[in-house]
Amino acid sequence: SQQGEEDPQALSIQEGENATMNCSYKTSINNLQWYRQNSGRGLVHLILIRSNEREKHSGRLRVTLDTSKKSSSLLITASRAADTASYFCATDVSGGSEKLVFGKGTKLTVNP
Amino acid sequence: DARVTQTPRDKVTEMGQEVTMRCQPILGHNTVFWYRQTMKQGLELLAYFRNRAPLDDSGMPKDRFSAEMPDATLATLKIQPSEPRDSAVYFCASALFGGTYEQYFGPGTRLTVT
Repeated sequence: SQQGEEDPQALSIQEGENATMNCSYKTSINNLQWYRQNSGRGLVHLILIRSNEREKHSGRLRVTLDTSKKSSSLLITASRAADTASYFCATDVSGGSEKLVFGKGTKLTVNP
Repeated sequence: DARVTQTPRDKVTEMGQEVTMRCQPILGHNTVFWYRQTMKQGLELLAYFRNRAPLDDSGMPKDRFSAEMPDATLATLKIQPSEPRDSAVYFCASALFGGTYEQYFGPGTRLTVT
């Protein structure tokens, strides 16, 4: 069963705007990761946030984690057409961080 | 530029035929994963290996699927016999256990069973 659930399922914005995607999960985690998938390609790791961290930045990406609410958000600032892709959150399964469970993703479209 | 490779990229086959997908993980990675992606189910973990030993294949239909690592540079996923419901994109990913937990995905094999 899906551990992470992304929201919204689809998001369409204009270039230059910010995009926010949310992820909710069900059980305790050690870390949460975000991946991007361009159409017809494999997933690419974007960022990992550990359960004892609340916020993390990487370039135009900002990830937050609220373990009390079992939720995370991914913010992409100043979006570009090249950011058009599906974004997935992935959580580790208790007992071993190498095994991940992925949500169904948010499909982001950035219009030029 | 180290990357995971998968062959074939596309495979169309008839129901009942055997299908073998191959994956070359990144050199030095000791953990290999097989995933299946469909619109309906999303990305599902089928099986994974560490140091070539299977750790978990609970996501895999045992009667028709098998996964092996004949050596550290090759992982295989075999379906015999294939069925139309097996149509999906199959991804291989590798990682370094004890490292950053980041998984590196291959480009996938798009399987169509008619």
